[in-house]
Amino acid sequence: QEQLVESGGGVVQPGKSLRLSCAASGFTFSSYSLHWVRQVPGKGLEWVAFSSSDGSNTYYADSVKGRFTISRDNSKNTLHLQMNSLRPGDTAVYYCAREGFPDNSAFPDDHCDLWGQGTLVTVST
Amino acid sequence: EIVLTQSPVTLSLSPGETATLSCRASRSLSSVLLAWYQKKPGQPPRLLIYGTSTRATGIPDRFSGGGNDGSGTDFTLTVTRLEPEDSAVYYCHQYGNLPLTFGGGTEVEIK
Repeated sequence: QEQLVESGGGVVQPGKSLRLSCAASGFTFSSYSLHWVRQVPGKGLEWVAFSSSDGSNTYYADSVKGRFTISRDNSKNTLHLQMNSLRPGDTAVYYCAREGFPDNSAFPDDHCDLWGQGTLVTVST
Repeated sequence: EIVLTQSPVTLSLSPGETATLSCRASRSLSSVLLAWYQKKPGQPPRLLIYGTSTRATGIPDRFSGGGNDGSGTDFTLTVTRLEPEDSAVYYCHQYGNLPLTFGGGTEVEIK
């Protein structure tokens, strides 16, 4: 069964760091591009970051550029999101998501068909 | 950045009726790179439609997606024969231009 499971969320003070992980199973992880998408409580969905299948190409939303880093370990079937200099506005449920078709494209070019259940990050004093 | 504007913001309909949701892009985008998701509280987004009109695996044919006559800016999601379980927020999403963007959502309430 194809699955994505996020972990690492929690409560953190403004200015601190947090690292999210997304463990994949049931499919060939190294063949798929992946994304992080977040949802602020009561608000809509916001794309956060993209990683190509080999991790060599990454892109970010302007709101997190320079503070967040997406990375992946294809040997461990795991995607990460390192979040530094966290702000209260980063409070959200963070989802990892897989693009629908395996490829080695350098750019996001596909819908996301598999999503994790999400992990809540709360940035607060 | 491509801004996606969804309308209406809320829709209240009865079981059996048809919901028509609109998504307008701030500039033309390739129709193959537009998707629709269903989002319920406490659940991850569920892919309904991709490539403007292709139903995802397991999605009933009550759900259909379409584009307009070729302007590349107007897209619709139609849900026929509404059921109580269709109560959710529906988001359109373009994935062909960075940054990727989502519409603000349409909340569908089944009375």
